Amino acid sequence: QSALTQPVSVSGSPGQSITISCTDTSREVRNYNLFSWYQRHPGKAPTLMIYEDNKRPSGVSDRFSGSNSGNTASLTISGLQAEDEADYFCCSFQGRRNPYVFGTETKLTVL
Amino acid sequence: QVQLQESGPGLVKPSETLSLTCSVSGGSVSSGSYYWSWIRQPPGKGLEWIGNIFYSGFTHYNASLQSRVTMSVDTSKNQFSLKLSSVTATDTAVYYCARLIGDFDCFEMWGQGTMVTVSS
Repeated sequence: QSALTQPVSVSGSPGQSITISCTDTSREVRNYNLFSWYQRHPGKAPTLMIYEDNKRPSGVSDRFSGSNSGNTASLTISGLQAEDEADYFCCSFQGRRNPYVFGTETKLTVL
Repeated sequence: QVQLQESGPGLVKPSETLSLTCSVSGGSVSSGSYYWSWIRQPPGKGLEWIGNIFYSGFTHYNASLQSRVTMSVDTSKNQFSLKLSSVTATDTAVYYCARLIGDFDCFEMWGQGTMVTVSS
C-alpha cells in the first residue's frame, strides 16, 4: 500500500493550468522528502518530468513545475495541451528499508 | 539517447522463477554515475520498487521481496537481470527496468515495461 496519495483524476481545458498533489501519509518522521514526478502515456515508457522537487530535466517543457511543502508535493502543468493527457505519478525516497515509494497515480484528462 | 528494453517470458508457472533481462543501448551499465533498477506494477495497483544494482554488483532490494529477489549485471552484454523465485499470482505485474541517478534519487530513464503473468 502506497504511502504517497494522489488524486485519482484531474482534468482541464487546453490553455488552463492544473495541479496534482502527492501527500506523504506515512507516520514516519523525516526531516525532508525529495519528490520526483513522472509522466506515462499508455503503453509507453515513463518519462521523468521533475526531480528534487522542482528541477526539470533537459528537454522537459517549462510548462511543468514542481513544489514541495514538506509532506505534500505538487506538480503544476500550465498552458495545458492535448499531449499532456497521460498518467502522472510521484516518487519519494523514504529510507533504507524501502527507499523508493511511488504515488497512487493520477489520470490527467485534457477536455 | 539511452534506451532500456525488458525481455523475458510473459507467462510463468506458480512456484517457478521469473527471469527478466534489461538491455541497455546508447549508454553503458558500467557507468559509475547510475544504478540500475527494477520496478513493477500489478494490474490496478501502484508501482513498487523491487531493487537496484550497481555495475560493481552491489545490490539493494526491497525488504519485502529480499528473500526471493536476485539481481545481476553483465557488463559484457550491457545488460542487467532480475530473478524472482517462488512466484505466485500476486507477482503478476508489468515489470519495468530503469536507470536511477543516486545523487538525485530519481529514475531518469525507463523501459516500456513487460507484462508477466503467473498462472498454471
